[in-house]
Amino acid sequence: KAGVTQTPRYLIKTRGQQVTLSCSPISGHRSVSWYQQTPGQGLQFLFEYFSETQRNKGNFPGRFSGRQFSNSRSEMNVSTLELGDSALYLCASSLVLAPDTQYFGPGTRLTVL
Amino acid sequence: GEDVEQSLFLSVREGDSSVINCTYTDSSSTYLYWYKQEPGAGLQLLTYIFSNMDMKQDQRLTVLLNKKDKHLSLRIADTQTGDSAIYFCAERPDNFNKFYFGSGTKLNVKP
Repeated sequence: KAGVTQTPRYLIKTRGQQVTLSCSPISGHRSVSWYQQTPGQGLQFLFEYFSETQRNKGNFPGRFSGRQFSNSRSEMNVSTLELGDSALYLCASSLVLAPDTQYFGPGTRLTVL
Repeated sequence: GEDVEQSLFLSVREGDSSVINCTYTDSSSTYLYWYKQEPGAGLQLLTYIFSNMDMKQDQRLTVLLNKKDKHLSLRIADTQTGDSAIYFCAERPDNFNKFYFGSGTKLNVKP
């Protein structure tokens, strides 16, 4: 069974631009969560989607948004990029909302110049 | 809020045992996890333990949970150079699929 896939793997943007990252969960998994990983803040929870609905949200500004499609694929969008948004963005999928184990994708490395 | 703490670095010699420690604060945590992250990669689930268990063993990995002290440890027996990575402890409070991660422990295995 294929693992969690994320595209693109690497992205370079400039301040003020917007970006969309994509995540395809493991087949059959319905829950997708997003995390931001930076050297200074570590791993921080962004949000979680289940059945196309946002179920949980972390403490990030409204510039960070996401959605989930009927096939469970998810996208996250960051508008008006700031230098501090440079990070590894990780997507994780699980079978059901809770409780369940999350399996992570390889991440998208976003660099904001 | 939830707070998960880990020491930042651990250095061991190949063949020795490694013990990575973690403390957490949420007493309602149902599941506690260990993940491994190699350079440039995502997180790989190593093992997890239910909060009603004290110990779980999986090949070279042993997880010990002390609920009273809210202390979790991961022991890697016969540590190999391929075990060099960052190890994250994570807790998930009851009824939420939101994970809280520690800052990660960088394990360096010297040949």
